[in-house]
Amino acid sequence: GESVGLHLPTLSVQEGDNSIINCAYSNSASDYFIWYKQESGKGPQFIIDIRSNMDKRQGQRVAVLLNKTVKHLSLQIAATQPGDSAVYFCAESLGGATNKLIFGTGTLLAVQP
Amino acid sequence: GAVVSQHPSWVICKSGTSVKIECRSLDFQATTMFWYRQFPKQSLMLMATSNEGSKATYEQGVEKDKFLINHASLTLSTLTVTSAHPEDSSFYICSARPKSSYNEQFFGPGTRLTVL
Repeated sequence: GESVGLHLPTLSVQEGDNSIINCAYSNSASDYFIWYKQESGKGPQFIIDIRSNMDKRQGQRVAVLLNKTVKHLSLQIAATQPGDSAVYFCAESLGGATNKLIFGTGTLLAVQP
Repeated sequence: GAVVSQHPSWVICKSGTSVKIECRSLDFQATTMFWYRQFPKQSLMLMATSNEGSKATYEQGVEKDKFLINHASLTLSTLTVTSAHPEDSSFYICSARPKSSYNEQFFGPGTRLTVL
């Protein structure tokens, strides 16, 4: 299950199960959202993105759901594998001239064999 | 394609010295590059936005005289941490936005800075 405390929120799942990682974003004007995977000591790796005019976008083994009403984003990973163990960040794109990204707090996904 | 490199990948320096970190887009031109700092078990915090040929735009609370950014070409941006102190020890990550793109950012592998 999920736990939130002084450390990074952690989601622990069994290999083969589906994972759902949640994220709340802050700016109702954000129009583009991205999920990144970050392994220890490495830079973020793009997983999937979604524009604000969509509710869901499906990838090969991942999907992103967007609920603009409550400013909530989720990442679904099907048949989670040990190689999926990493920290996952959502990011919102603020648009405008610089269109910078604001990252969420992150969730550590721990896949148990 | 869309590879971003950083050099060095890690650096250890003495307090009071300056350290330069390079960020290169290897196979595309980037009009905009971004610099982030990440402390252990925390998220990426945007430090500054760097546009080729112009001054960087710093986020609130980031000292521009402490973190010097130069974006002299469409493939290279540098971050210099001046007079580094132990509290500057962190993981520094850059990203680059292709010239033709509005939303995309490609991230470098990061640079681990340790100040003794």
